[in-house]
Order: sequence, then structure tokens, then C-alpha cells
Amino acid sequence: GAGVSQTPSNKVTEKGKYVELRCDPISGHTALYWYRQSLGQGPEFLIYFQGTGAADDSGLPNDRFFAVRPEGSVSTLKIQRTERGDSAVYLCASSTGGVADTQYFGPGTRLTVL
Amino acid sequence: QKEVEQDPGPLSVPEGAIVSLNCTYSNSAFQYFMWYRQYSRKGPELLMYTYSSGNKEDGRFTAQVDKSSKYISLFIRDSQPSDSATYLCAMSGAGGTSYGKLTFGQGTILTVHP
Repeated sequence: GAGVSQTPSNKVTEKGKYVELRCDPISGHTALYWYRQSLGQGPEFLIYFQGTGAADDSGLPNDRFFAVRPEGSVSTLKIQRTERGDSAVYLCASSTGGVADTQYFGPGTRLTVL
Repeated sequence: QKEVEQDPGPLSVPEGAIVSLNCTYSNSAFQYFMWYRQYSRKGPELLMYTYSSGNKEDGRFTAQVDKSSKYISLFIRDSQPSDSATYLCAMSGAGGTSYGKLTFGQGTILTVHP
């Protein structure tokens, strides 16, 4: 079956612009996660959805970052007033929502802020 | 100090060698321990998953967890060039929403040369 898909695969923007990154989880997966991976580092947790609600958003670095999942499937990560330090690969993962169940990752969106 | 520490390497070994990858951690609440493999420009994929202390074997891979020392290991026997990738350890807690949040190590870059 289809895995987690993310669009766009690459996004180049200018400092101060607004960007949206989209994640399509595996069909039927109720849990969805966003991570950010900087060059040479492991993924860093941003936010976790169970259904439509954010169960844990403790990883969002500041109020410029916001994520939604209005129908419990597709999710959008939104970044306002982008900064050069936001440049990273943004990874999305989904799972069935059980205790410590496997998270399946998408290929990521590579964001470059000039 | 980071919650999870992993030697970034890089590690270069000849084909057929035994590879040992390690992580240490400081958060005693971690109960689930995972190893992910990440190829260049791809998302991480789960290799091994262990709950609490103990060993787990899957083909050429063995995962070990020593909670008393807060130390986990991944061993790869008869390493192959196709094993060349970045290996990430990841951990999560057991209670409430904490199990949805994976904390990753920095990743170790492994190259297996023919």
C-alpha cells in the first residue's frame, strides 16, 4: 500500500515568507507526527496528533509554527515569517495510534530559507 | 546535555565485519527503544524495537538494552555494503501522550566497503 507522502519534496523561500508543508499519512492511521531534522542531526519532535487534536505540541519552537489536521487525515505544518534557522528537512510520520506502535516516516520536505 | 547521546562516527568497516552502534540516555522514563535506518534523502525506517531491558535478535541484527546503565546497542553481523546508511537510536516513554514522542540520537553514519 501507499506510504506516507509529503509535498512539496523541496521548498525554497525567502526570509520572512510564509510556507505550508503537507503530509498525507497512511490510510487508517489515526496518529500523525511532525519532526524536524537539521543537517547532521537526528529528527527532533515537533507535534503529535491523535485524530484531529494535537495531543502534544511541546516541540514547536515558537508561535511562528502551527500545525493542523482538520479531518483527522491530511496535516499541514505552517511556518510564518520564516527565518534562515528554519532551514531543515521536515519529516512526517504516521502510526495506528497504539502504545509505542511503529511510526512510518515519509521522505520529508527539504525547506531552504534564503 | 542532550537526553540521548550517540556517537556520530563516521564509521567505516569492511564487508563481513561486525558493527557495534551505541547510545546512552539520561531520562529514566524511557521504556521503548528503537533503531531506525536512514538512507540519504529518505525518511527513517524502523529496524528494531525493544521494550524495557533485554536482547532482541532479527536476522543479522541484535538490539540490546541495559536500563541500569542507560545504554543501548545495535549489532550488525556479516555487514553488507547495502547496510551503508545512517543509524538512529530513538526512545519514548510509556505513559499518557509521552509514548507518541520519539527522542532521537544524532545518528551514526556507517559505510561498509566491499
